[in-house]
Amino acid sequence: GDSVTQMEGPVTLSEEAFLTINCTYTATGYPSLFWYVQYPGEGLQLLLKATKADDKGSNKGFEATYRKETTSFHLEKGSVQVSDSAVYFCALGRGSQGNLIFGKGTKLSVKP
Amino acid sequence: DTAVSQTPKYLVTQMGNDKSIKCEQNLGHDTMYWYKQDSKKFLKIMFSYNNKELIINETVPNRFSPKSPDKAHLNLHINSLELGDSAVYFCASSRDDRGAKNIQYFGAGTRLSVL
Repeated sequence: GDSVTQMEGPVTLSEEAFLTINCTYTATGYPSLFWYVQYPGEGLQLLLKATKADDKGSNKGFEATYRKETTSFHLEKGSVQVSDSAVYFCALGRGSQGNLIFGKGTKLSVKP
Repeated sequence: DTAVSQTPKYLVTQMGNDKSIKCEQNLGHDTMYWYKQDSKKFLKIMFSYNNKELIINETVPNRFSPKSPDKAHLNLHINSLELGDSAVYFCASSRDDRGAKNIQYFGAGTRLSVL
C-alpha cells in the first residue's frame, strides 16, 4: 500500500541556516504530495503541495519538488527563522478519496 | 474564530469508561475526518464523513463510533476505553470537490490518556 517516510527528528538549526527535510514515498500511480506544518498548540495546516511530477510547490520561503524518478518530495528553505519552529509532516493523497497518508513528522527547532 | 475546533483539549480517564470528543468546523465544508496519532507519531485516518454520510471507515474497532448531527459537526464516541486508545485525536475538514479533498484543515488535537 501507499506509504510516506520522512527523516527522523528532531532537527535543531541556528537562525538563517539552510533546511532540508527528506521525504520519500511509495505509491502506485500518480498521487499528489503535500507538506503540512503544525505550530505549537495548533492543528496541522497545509504548507505547500504538488500534484504532478516535476511540479514545485512553494510557500513562505519553503520549496519542494515532486521527483517521480526518486519518489521524493524533500522540503527546503534557504534561511530559517525562529518562527519556523514546528513539526513538519509530508503526506500523499489521492484527490477522489481525501485519504491523506502522512509521514511521522519531523520536529524543527530554530535557535536565535 | 477558530476554523476547526475540538473539545476537550486533554482527556484523562480510566479504562472501561465511555467518552466523547466533539468537533465543529465553521468553514462551510462538506467533508470531515478523524485521525489518530499514536505514540510513534504516525497520523492515520480513522473516518471520513461527507454531508453526514460515512465515506471512509478504516480498520477501527467498533468501540469507536463517529456521529454527525449536521455537516458542521463530527463527534467521536469511544466505548469501553482501553490503554491502547491513548493517543492524540485530530479532527479535520475539507471541501468536497476532487482537487480540494486533500487540502484539509485540522483542529488542534485532543490528547486522550487512558489509565
